Amino acid sequence: KNEVEQSPQNLTAQEGEFITINCSYSVGISALHWLQQHPGGGIVSLFMLSSGKKKHGRLIATINIQEKHSSLHITASHPRDSAVYICAAGGDNDMRFGAGTRLTVKP
Amino acid sequence: NAGVTQTPKFRILKIGQSMTLQCTQDMNHNYMYWYRQDPGMGLKLIYYSVGAGITDKGEVPNGYNVSRSTTEDFPLRLELAAPSQTSVYFCASSPFMNTEAFFGQGTRLTVV
Repeated sequence: KNEVEQSPQNLTAQEGEFITINCSYSVGISALHWLQQHPGGGIVSLFMLSSGKKKHGRLIATINIQEKHSSLHITASHPRDSAVYICAAGGDNDMRFGAGTRLTVKP
Repeated sequence: NAGVTQTPKFRILKIGQSMTLQCTQDMNHNYMYWYRQDPGMGLKLIYYSVGAGITDKGEVPNGYNVSRSTTEDFPLRLELAAPSQTSVYFCASSPFMNTEAFFGQGTRLTVV
């Protein structure tokens, strides 16, 4: 079993829908990271959180430390949100990455 | 700011050839990392560095070498390329461990 599991693996939504991507981890963490990988391959950091919730525009990330679970929500999804979303569990000395969730938002 | 720059973007190698993937960052970050990304798998850490002159193995270091002679540069060396090294390689940097990381654009390497 992978140390970081994401679900779903693939997700197709219609423009405007509310999106939820889930991440469960089995390792101890200092912080949980959400990354976005664009269709061209580039990776950018979206969030780093160790408790509670963070919001940036239409993106919201939450974490439940006790349950070792985090979610990434996208409100009012748009085709430009189409990308692979990666969850990473950051420990003291390294990060363990999930396999990613491929999101496609159709107009 | 250019951020993290990787070269080349694409490369095809023959089995047994060697090459160096270049990575440079202009943010004065102490930490630099090399990852590989295989289809359907999460990023795997190959090597990392906490500062000039200091490197350490990650999860999948076999077949690779690194050096960190300056803060800016962190090249990854493949000495005897094997088909198992076909992958997309990402270099990244961060000011400290487990803080926001900045990634290069990736190098798609095919070994045939």
